[in-house]
Amino acid sequence: QVQLQESGPGQVKPSETLSLTCTVSGGSVSSGSYYWSWTRQSPEKGLEWIGYIHNTGSTNYNPSLKSRATISIDTSKNQFSLKLSSVTAADTAVYYCARGTILTSADGTWGQGTMVTVSS
Amino acid sequence: DIQMTQSPSSLSASVADRVTITCRASQTISTSLNWYQQKPGKAPKLLIYGASNLYSGVPSRFSGSGSGTDFTLTISSLQPEDFATYYCRQSYSSPGTFGQGTKVEIK
Repeated sequence: QVQLQESGPGQVKPSETLSLTCTVSGGSVSSGSYYWSWTRQSPEKGLEWIGYIHNTGSTNYNPSLKSRATISIDTSKNQFSLKLSSVTAADTAVYYCARGTILTSADGTWGQGTMVTVSS
Repeated sequence: DIQMTQSPSSLSASVADRVTITCRASQTISTSLNWYQQKPGKAPKLLIYGASNLYSGVPSRFSGSGSGTDFTLTISSLQPEDFATYYCRQSYSSPGTFGQGTKVEIK
């Protein structure tokens, strides 16, 4: 059974870059049947999709992030990562990684989430 | 972006009640609609994909219907473990957008 686990700093300073990693166990990020995504949740904005990556390296991002997000994949470590640059307090949220099935376009497996606070 | 509007925002119900939550899209999304359940402090869990397909392991008391712009999630007989917040999400066009959520509380 596939499991996902987010990791990364719980606090980031304004204007710096938020970096999170999602480690996948029980499955492979190299599988062509899935995409690997990031979603965040805050009281102000609710659930907000950030973007996804496929094992081919193709990506798709939410335009609302104004090109600040970058998602990458490391097949050797069975991980994928999120970098969000120039963060502000509005980026404070719980960040979730997830696995979605290409056939259904639905995120069926999620990590437990990690809280990131943007504060000096 | 496609706007997703859920109603009601919250509801109170008793165990064994039949509960219906609606989700309306700002434009047609065919059947590209997923439903999630979220409990406090936990990640969302997929319940329904493609508007009406039950995800693996999800109890059969959950069902979904609809197409175009109007969708419903029905819980046929509410169980204690079903008290949670429910979200719809469209996967028709990018960016995939979520509804604001419907909180199901104990009456």
